[in-house]
Amino acid sequence: DQQVKQNSPSLSVQEGRISILNCDYTNSMFDYFLWYKKYPAEGPTFLISISSIKDKNEDGRFTVFLNKSAKHLSLHIVPSQPGDSAVYFCAASGWNYGQNFVFGPGTRLSVLP
Amino acid sequence: EPEVTQTPSHQVTQMGQEVILRCVPISNHLYFYWYRQILGQKVEFLVSFYNNEISEKSEIFDDQFSVERPDGSNFTLKIRSTKLEDSAMYFCASSAGDRGRNQPQHFGDGTRLSIL
Repeated sequence: DQQVKQNSPSLSVQEGRISILNCDYTNSMFDYFLWYKKYPAEGPTFLISISSIKDKNEDGRFTVFLNKSAKHLSLHIVPSQPGDSAVYFCAASGWNYGQNFVFGPGTRLSVLP
Repeated sequence: EPEVTQTPSHQVTQMGQEVILRCVPISNHLYFYWYRQILGQKVEFLVSFYNNEISEKSEIFDDQFSVERPDGSNFTLKIRSTKLEDSAMYFCASSAGDRGRNQPQHFGDGTRLSIL
């Protein structure tokens, strides 16, 4: 039961260009979405969040877009840097505090110099 | 910046033995979680803990698993009789949860559990 899907297992982008990572979900009860970045041998690091009352949230080079009717969100990284190379996880949850997150399988981003 | 710390970083245990994984969540956080990631698979929720009791658990979290907050700082995951399929990375996470809505969870670097 894949409630959160990331259909691209990997993505390669040239340094300086835009990286677009996609995520789809099936549970209409999800109201709160996070993106995490994970390096090998480290835990997931929180990047950016968005709630269902918004369709866009920006933080520096990272922007998350939410299309609730399509149950789709995307993470844009611009410009991409070699240090962005990592596995990116989309995670979804309900709005109420303390609820656990359902993670997607991840997309491995490689930013080429 | 405050962080979640987990010990040990790697635990090797014989099948059938008990293992305790330890976590120190961020000090002012109220919600605590354990997740696991089997090699090559996605991060899976195990259990959440709030106000000294389990608030939610997944079907993975069966009777072999237990969690405890023995004091004001530690949060532990115990597996009573380990099986080969328990081999995974185990991540502890914590969140503030004090603003009436869900908050980002902050993760430790994980404990790699290897069952022989």
